[in-house]
Amino acid sequence: GENVEQHPSTLSVQEGDSAVIKCTYSDSASNYFPWYKQELGKRPQLIIDIRSNVGEKKDQRIAVTLNKTAKHFSLHITETQPEDSAVYFCAASMSGGTSYGKLTFGQGTILTVHP
Amino acid sequence: DTEVTQTPKHLVMGMTNKKSLKCEQHMGHRAMYWYKQKAKKPPELMFVYSYEKLSINESVPSRFSPECPNSSLLNLHLHALQPEDSALYLCASSQGGSDEQYFGPGTRLTVT
Repeated sequence: GENVEQHPSTLSVQEGDSAVIKCTYSDSASNYFPWYKQELGKRPQLIIDIRSNVGEKKDQRIAVTLNKTAKHFSLHITETQPEDSAVYFCAASMSGGTSYGKLTFGQGTILTVHP
Repeated sequence: DTEVTQTPKHLVMGMTNKKSLKCEQHMGHRAMYWYKQKAKKPPELMFVYSYEKLSINESVPSRFSPECPNSSLLNLHLHALQPEDSALYLCASSQGGSDEQYFGPGTRLTVT
């Protein structure tokens, strides 16, 4: 089955700095890669996603890049703010077949943004 | 309505109890999911329903029994749980299997 590795496990930055979180996946059939943000005691919230036919996607201060050849994708947050502090999870899934709807998550990155 | 709702928010049950968790969405989504999440860990998929039919069971013990009465509702029936089953149980839904999954707020379950 699919395996997703996520690094780093913790990331501490100063407000205004950029933060980068990286994930690698094992199954070349995976074609959908969402990123979730989970604040303490809250539900995971989708912040951005990318599909395998696109190399990069941006939404304001957040961007995701995908390298299908190397099987890795990254989350970039610019101009970080204290409210960006949370746990971030990457995930991978493939459409169709017996894996319909199955998201495989990375282990998470605890991001702390210091004011 | 763009939310997934779950009840109850918190549940404490003994190992001999029977209880149910409920999940509801009114976004017309055709896929619904149950996840289990332990502290400081990612959500772990338990079950997937597609068009009200069970399509994935991730080898979950039979003390967890899912049910999808209709396209908007998803239940998880609990019986004879163990203390290690204590966790946050998250429901999610999506339009299709390769679409964005939206999570509910979860039920914090404690088994005593």
